[in-house]
Amino acid sequence: GAGVSQTPSNKVTEKGKYVELRCDPISGHTALYWYRQSLGQGPEFLIYFQGTGAADDSGLPNDRFFAVRPEGSVSTLKIQRTERGDSAVYLCASSFGGNQETQYFGPGTRLLVL
Amino acid sequence: GESVGLHLPTLSVQEGDNSIINCAYSNSASDYFIWYKQESGKGPQFIIDIRSNMDKRQGQRVTVLLNKTVKHLSLQIAATQPGDSAVYFCAENNGNNAGNMLTFGGGTRLMVKP
Repeated sequence: GAGVSQTPSNKVTEKGKYVELRCDPISGHTALYWYRQSLGQGPEFLIYFQGTGAADDSGLPNDRFFAVRPEGSVSTLKIQRTERGDSAVYLCASSFGGNQETQYFGPGTRLLVL
Repeated sequence: GESVGLHLPTLSVQEGDNSIINCAYSNSASDYFIWYKQESGKGPQFIIDIRSNMDKRQGQRVTVLLNKTVKHLSLQIAATQPGDSAVYFCAENNGNNAGNMLTFGGGTRLMVKP
């Protein structure tokens, strides 16, 4: 079956611009996660949705970052006033809704802020 | 393609040999552990997981060992193949964390020589 998909695969933007990154989870998965991966490091947690609501947004670095999941399926990560330090791979994962269910990752969106 | 990690610890093995990748975790409250494989330009791929009530779990060609006393996790790959070349991450989860967030280690690059 289809896995987690993310669009765009690559995004180049200028400092100060606004970007949106999209995640389409595996069908039937009620939990959705966003992580950020810098070069040479492991992924770092940003936010977790259970259905439409953000159950844990403790990993969002500041108020320039925001994510939504209005219908409990597709999610959009939004970054305002991008900074060069936001350059990274943004990974989305999804799982069934229970505790400690396996998280399946998408291919990521590579964001470069010039 | 993009390199996942430029300065990661590297394990180089001959094709057909067994590989052992180690990981130390820091949170004694963690009770669920996962190994992911990440190839260049791709998202992390689930390999195997283990819960804290177990010391060992086997999959196809892979075995995960957990030593809670010293907070150490290892991944053993039998008869390593060129397709096993990738960066391997361990991840941990604290079951009391309602967010289901995973905390990833720094990763190890496995290089398989034909």
